[in-house]
Amino acid sequence: EAQVTQNPRYLITVTGKKLTVTCSQNMNHEYMSWYRQDPGLGLRQIYYSMNVEVTDKGDVPEGYKVSRKEKRNFPLILESPSPNQTSLYFCASSLDRGTYEQYFGPGTRLTVT
Amino acid sequence: AQKITQTQPGMFVQEKEAVTLDCTYDTSDPSYGLFWYKQPSSGEMIFLIYQGSYDQQNATEGRYSLNFQKARKSANLVISASQLGDSAMYFCAMRVVGTSYGKLTFGQGTILTVHP
Repeated sequence: EAQVTQNPRYLITVTGKKLTVTCSQNMNHEYMSWYRQDPGLGLRQIYYSMNVEVTDKGDVPEGYKVSRKEKRNFPLILESPSPNQTSLYFCASSLDRGTYEQYFGPGTRLTVT
Repeated sequence: AQKITQTQPGMFVQEKEAVTLDCTYDTSDPSYGLFWYKQPSSGEMIFLIYQGSYDQQNATEGRYSLNFQKARKSANLVISASQLGDSAMYFCAMRVVGTSYGKLTFGQGTILTVHP
């Protein structure tokens, strides 16, 4: 089954404790992206990757890191989480950067206390 | 820069009736795609329908249709014969081929409630 998986689905952590949210797709997609969803703001792009070892900042990259060492994986790293990073996070992938549909993972609900 | 505007924070509809969710967009890029996603209370993002900027006909997918008016820069979602399971948040989104590097730009969303 074609899908995007994320782990963990739910996470409660404390300020400053490094964490990684994993994302994996099995569709051989070149393009992968991370979004965060906050009430009243819709979804905003954090980082994106157009291929292995090619990543760049989206609209709200502060406080986040990513890497793309393999085509299928695109982890999101929070080196020192803060309460304003409490949010619902989505990983998405698509064939390329064109107008094709993006397939979303199930979401990771993160709470930073 | 691209922008999506959804002016209806919440909408109510009676079961089996049709409902239109509004979406207007702004971009100077001639090549773009417009998407609608459904987000139920469980949180996942479900793709509903896609319209390309060069498509001549309005997109349809089952009970969903997209009323695409290019000159007015609107891409309204029409849901026919509403069902209780249609109650959810609905997002309009746009993706351009030009300088946005594949980013999906989302509106703020519309919460649809279907009454029995």
